[in-house]
Amino acid sequence: DGGITQSPKYLFRKEGQNVTLSCEQNLNHDAMYWYRQDPGQGLRLIYYSQIVNDFQKGDIAEGYSVSREKKESFPLTVTSAQKNPTAFYLCASSVRQGWEPQHFGDGTRLSIL
Amino acid sequence: QKEVEQNSGPLSVPEGAIASLNCTYSDRGSQSFFWYRQYSGKSPELIMFIYSNGDKEDGRFTAQLNKASQYVSLLIRDSQPSDSATYLCAVISSGTGNQFYFGTGTSLTVIP
Repeated sequence: DGGITQSPKYLFRKEGQNVTLSCEQNLNHDAMYWYRQDPGQGLRLIYYSQIVNDFQKGDIAEGYSVSREKKESFPLTVTSAQKNPTAFYLCASSVRQGWEPQHFGDGTRLSIL
Repeated sequence: QKEVEQNSGPLSVPEGAIASLNCTYSDRGSQSFFWYRQYSGKSPELIMFIYSNGDKEDGRFTAQLNKASQYVSLLIRDSQPSDSATYLCAVISSGTGNQFYFGTGTSLTVIP
C-alpha cells in the first residue's frame, strides 16, 4: 500500500539534544512538507521541498533543519536551538506543489524530558 | 489578513442534522480548495476537494464553492457522532507561488 510513514510515533528530547524525525513516502510524490501543530492550534509550515536536493523555509523554520537527498525521504531535525519543541509534527506530500492535495503521515509527537 | 479563515467553533449539531462549515479566503486567484477532517490526536485526512464554482457531492458530504464571494463550505448531511472532529479548510493560493494555506479549523460535535 502506498503512503507516508513517520517514525517514531513518540519521541522525547533532552535539553541540548538534537533529534531527527523520519518521513518516508512511496507515493512517488515530488513535493514534501513538514508542519508543526500545537494543542488547539492550526498547522504551521516549517519547511517544504519541491524536488530532490532543494528545500525552502516555511513560516517557522528557526531551530529546525531538513535534507532531501532522496525523493522518498524528507527527515526533519529539531535542533537544540528550538527552545519550545513540544508539539505534534506532521509530514505531508503531494504529487507536485501547486494544484494537488497534500496527504499526511500519522505524525510524531515530540516532548521534552 | 489571514489567507484562510474559519470560525473555530465549537459547532454542535444533533445526530441526523445537517452540519454547515464555512471558510473564506483572501486570494481571489485561488484555484484549488480542500477539506480535511482531523480527529483528536490524529493527522488530517482529505475528505473533499473542489476546483470549480458550484456544488460537489460525495456521499453525505457536499462541498460548495463561490469564487465571486471567496468562500467555500462543507455540508455534512445526516450527521453522525463519528463525524465529530475538527475540519480544516485548505486553499492553494496562486498569488503566493501556489502555496498551500490551512485554516485553523472548526471543531464539530455531533450530539447523539
